[in-house]
Formats: sequence, C-alpha cells, structure tokens
Amino acid sequence: GAGVSQSPSNKVTEKGKDVELRCDPISGHTALYWYRQSLGQGLEFLIYFQGNSAPDKSGLPSDRFSAERTGGSVSTLTIQRTQQEDSAVYLCASSLGGGVYGYTFGSGTRLTVV
Amino acid sequence: SQKIEQNSEALNIQEGKTATLTCNYTNYSPAYLQWYRQDPGRGPVFLLLIRENEKEKRKERLKVTFDTTLKQSLFHITASQPADSATYLCAPSLGGYSTLTFGKGTMLLVSP
Repeated sequence: GAGVSQSPSNKVTEKGKDVELRCDPISGHTALYWYRQSLGQGLEFLIYFQGNSAPDKSGLPSDRFSAERTGGSVSTLTIQRTQQEDSAVYLCASSLGGGVYGYTFGSGTRLTVV
Repeated sequence: SQKIEQNSEALNIQEGKTATLTCNYTNYSPAYLQWYRQDPGRGPVFLLLIRENEKEKRKERLKVTFDTTLKQSLFHITASQPADSATYLCAPSLGGYSTLTFGKGTMLLVSP
C-alpha cells in the first residue's frame, strides 16, 4: 500500500484480557519495527524484524508481549493478560532496512486498559 | 548507557523567524542521525538523515548540522510558518541494521 497501515486505531480492553494489534507495512520494506509511546513520553523500542532473520526482541518489556511477522509482510503484536501500565500508543514502522533509511510510521493503535 | 537529550521545554517563535532545535547525545558514536516530525495523534514522519562525515545537510527550508566532536546535532527551520508547529524528534543510528533510539522530542510552536 501507499503507507503503513495499523488496526485497530483505538482499542479499549479490560485488564487481564489479551489483545492483538496489526500492522501492514509498505510493500517491499524488509524491516518492520514496533514501538510504543506513553503519554508525554518518548518512543520505546519493542521489537524489530529484518527479512528472514530472527527478530530482535530485546525491547519487549515482559513475556506477556510477543509479535510475529508472517510471510515477511503483515505483523501482529500480541499482549496477553493486559495491565493498566500497557496503556499507550503502539506504533509500527517499516523501512528498507539499515540506518541509512528513514522509517515510515503508521498512525498507531491507541490502547487503553481499564 | 546511551542517552539522547532534546530540550523538553517548548520553543515558541514568531512566523518568519528561524527555529533552532538541539539534540545532544552521550555514550554514543552514531554513524547517522535522523530527524522526524510528529503531529498530535500521528506517527512520526521522516524528514532528514545526516551522516557522520557530513557537517551539514539541507532540504528546502530545513538544515541539519552534525558535530561528532560536540556530540550534537542542530535542526534549523528557516522562514518558519505556523504549519511547522509540531514535535521534532532526533534519532541517532549506529548504522548497519541497528534500530533507532529516539529522543523525547522538542515541541515547536510558531505563532502568526
């Protein structure tokens, strides 16, 4: 597509429920990233997929968080047993890979855990 | 640990003036430095990339400098307009396939 698409744009869930957030990257972009941004805070790196390599999961805050990328394209970020501190905007980005290329971000999914 | 500092206070300037935003980093030797713009409720938008061997990069009304000795990048918007009002993020990159770490950003407010 023309840009990075994320769905849903907003999600309200009850504490303890599982949620799935979806990201459709730009076609041909080999790199896909997940970040989250809490109110008034900077972007926090979560996970990075590059081609067929094993993902860099070093930013995942707990084992309740996981992500997969199917067929080198669409990615799903799953948060199990959501907690109130998981409330944030979850941003997905894609790029051609490597530090010389800028990231193209989606508009994010605003997750609210009540 | 690696640290990126951007002025947390909003920068207020008048239309037509030049806005200058600062990005300082420590415990880092980035090969590249990227700048992004973020509007409320939207994801960041890539603006410019400057390499460690480049002192200055320009794109239309934007100019970025990169001083690896001072460990600082300056981002300038000349002839600023109210539409330039947004939060600007810097992101040093170690290069290769390393991920970007973003500063918290500086909000720019341009008044007519």
